[in-house]
Amino acid sequence: GAGVSQSPSNKVTEKGKDVELRCDPISGHTALYWYRQSLGQGLEFLIYFQGNSAPDKSGLPSDRFSAERTGGSVSTLTIQRTQQEDSAVYLCASSFPPGTANTEAFFGQGTRLTVV
Amino acid sequence: RKEVEQDPGPFNVPEGATVAFNCTYSNSASQSFFWYRQDCRKEPKLLMSVYSSGNEDGRFTAQLNRASQYISLLIRDSKLSDSATYLCVVNSGGSYIPTFGRGTSLIVHP
Repeated sequence: GAGVSQSPSNKVTEKGKDVELRCDPISGHTALYWYRQSLGQGLEFLIYFQGNSAPDKSGLPSDRFSAERTGGSVSTLTIQRTQQEDSAVYLCASSFPPGTANTEAFFGQGTRLTVV
Repeated sequence: RKEVEQDPGPFNVPEGATVAFNCTYSNSASQSFFWYRQDCRKEPKLLMSVYSSGNEDGRFTAQLNRASQYISLLIRDSKLSDSATYLCVVNSGGSYIPTFGRGTSLIVHP
């Protein structure tokens, strides 16, 4: 597609429920990143996918968080047993492969998650 | 020490002013550098890449100092529409994971 697409744009869930957030990257971008941004805070790295390599999960805050990327394209971030501190905007970004000239990341509009 | 550090501001300047932001990074192996702009409740958007030789795009000039490990952004002739948060981004090492500073808030007033 023309840009990174994320869905849903907003999600309100009850504490303890599971949620799935979806990201569709720019066509041709093999690198995909998930970040989290809490109100008034900076971007916190969560997980990184590059092609068929094993993902870098070093930023995931707990084992309640997981992500997958099927077919090297669409990615799903899953949060199990949501807690109120999970409330944030979850941003997905994609880029061309590392080592190429244009490695800047392009962001989707984010999913605003509210846990009540 | 955080990987990427910025003065959070806010920088409050009148229209037409020149304003400069600095950003320091801790990983000397960092390879790619960018400035992003983020408007309130919006996603970050690329403002400009930062090259070793420095680069200019209209009213915006970015500089990289590898020896001191900092990058800068200069905005000349500030416009009201420049009001936003400016994020310093550094891609480090083989993983190229973009690491973001917390951003510097700019408010341009009439």
